[in-house]
Amino acid sequence: EAQVTQNPRYLITVTGKKLTVTCSQNMNHEYMSWYRQDPGLGLRQIYYSMNVEVTDKGDVPEGYKVSRKEKRNFPLILESPSPNQTSLYFCASSLAPGTSYNEQFFGPGTRLTVL
Amino acid sequence: AQKITQTQPGMFVQEKEAVTLDCTYDTSDPSYGLFWYKQPSSGEMIFLIYQGSYDQQNATEGRYSLNFQKARKSANLVISASQLGDSAMYFCAMREAFSGNTPLVFGKGTRLSVIA
Repeated sequence: EAQVTQNPRYLITVTGKKLTVTCSQNMNHEYMSWYRQDPGLGLRQIYYSMNVEVTDKGDVPEGYKVSRKEKRNFPLILESPSPNQTSLYFCASSLAPGTSYNEQFFGPGTRLTVL
Repeated sequence: AQKITQTQPGMFVQEKEAVTLDCTYDTSDPSYGLFWYKQPSSGEMIFLIYQGSYDQQNATEGRYSLNFQKARKSANLVISASQLGDSAMYFCAMREAFSGNTPLVFGKGTRLSVIA
């Protein structure tokens, strides 16, 4: 089954404790992206990756890191989480840009609370 | 710059009635795709329907149809024969096809409540 998986689905942590949210896709997609969703703000892009070892900042990258060592995985790293990073996080993947139909497939979401 | 506007924060509809959720967009790219996603209370993003900027006909998927008016830059979602399970947040989104980073730019969403 084609899918994007994220782990963990729910996480409560404390300020400053480093954490990683994993994301994996099995569709051989080149493009992967992380979004955060906050009430009243919709979804905003944090980081994206066009392919292995190619990553770049989205609209709200502060406080986050990513890596893309393998095509299927795109982990999101919070080196020192703060309460303003409490949010619902989505990983998404799609074929490379340039195709006319390039739906992004979303993972199930990770609900993060930073105390 | 891309921009998606959903002007209806919340909508109510009677079960079995049709409902239209509004979406307008702004882009200078002639090639783009428009998407609608449903987000139930469980939180996952469920893809509903897609419309390409060059598509001649309005997209349809079961009870969902997209009323695409390119000149007006609108892409309204029509849900026919509403069901209680349609109660959710609905997001309109756009992705430009030929830029380097093609994030899916979302509107702020419309919360639909279906009443029995």
